[in-house]
Amino acid sequence: AQSVTQPDIHITVSEGASLELRCNYSYGATPYLFWYVQSPGQGLQLLLKYFSGDTLVQGIKGFEAEFKRSQSSFNLRKPSVHWSDAAEYFCAVGAGHSGYSTLTFGKGTMLLVSP
Amino acid sequence: DAEITQSPRHKITETGRQVTLACHQTWNHNNMFWYRQDLGHGLRLIHYSYGVHDTNKGEVSDGYSVSRSNTEDLPLTLESAASSQTSVYFCASSEKGAQPQHFGDGTRLSIL
Repeated sequence: AQSVTQPDIHITVSEGASLELRCNYSYGATPYLFWYVQSPGQGLQLLLKYFSGDTLVQGIKGFEAEFKRSQSSFNLRKPSVHWSDAAEYFCAVGAGHSGYSTLTFGKGTMLLVSP
Repeated sequence: DAEITQSPRHKITETGRQVTLACHQTWNHNNMFWYRQDLGHGLRLIHYSYGVHDTNKGEVSDGYSVSRSNTEDLPLTLESAASSQTSVYFCASSEKGAQPQHFGDGTRLSIL
């Protein structure tokens, strides 16, 4: 069975500083990987996805993530954080076959942005 | 614009009562999912459906049921609500295959 580990429960970053959120996955085959963001009281919004091809993927809001098969990682990055980026971030791995797939989520990383 | 709508947004009920949470999507997606979100656990899959009349159990399905009579709706029923089922519930939908899931805004359910 697949699993996702987000080692950091909370991260505090100063506004304007760079950000990296860590994600490690466990899955036997080529994974489908996603990052979602959740603002308080709202559902999850897709930031970016990796299916295949280029291992550096660009997403919305200036985020990017790099797939590293050798490290089983899919870390999320942003060069300059804005106060509006404060939210909870979830990494997820998709697994399935024949066109059907479920997602397994990590437990999330709460991003706090200090002025 | 297509969307996924959950109702109610908030509900308080008593232990032992039957509760049904609604989920309606206008994306025309085949796949629909129900998750619960609890502090320290992230999102855990309760039930999912790959199409009309198809339902499958997820990681934490005990005490929950779903039925899929059309493409747009996947209601989640708690047969006899327990305090351990107090949580925030999210519905999601996606196209076939390993496609991104679109999420509703959630239902906060409190069982007293």
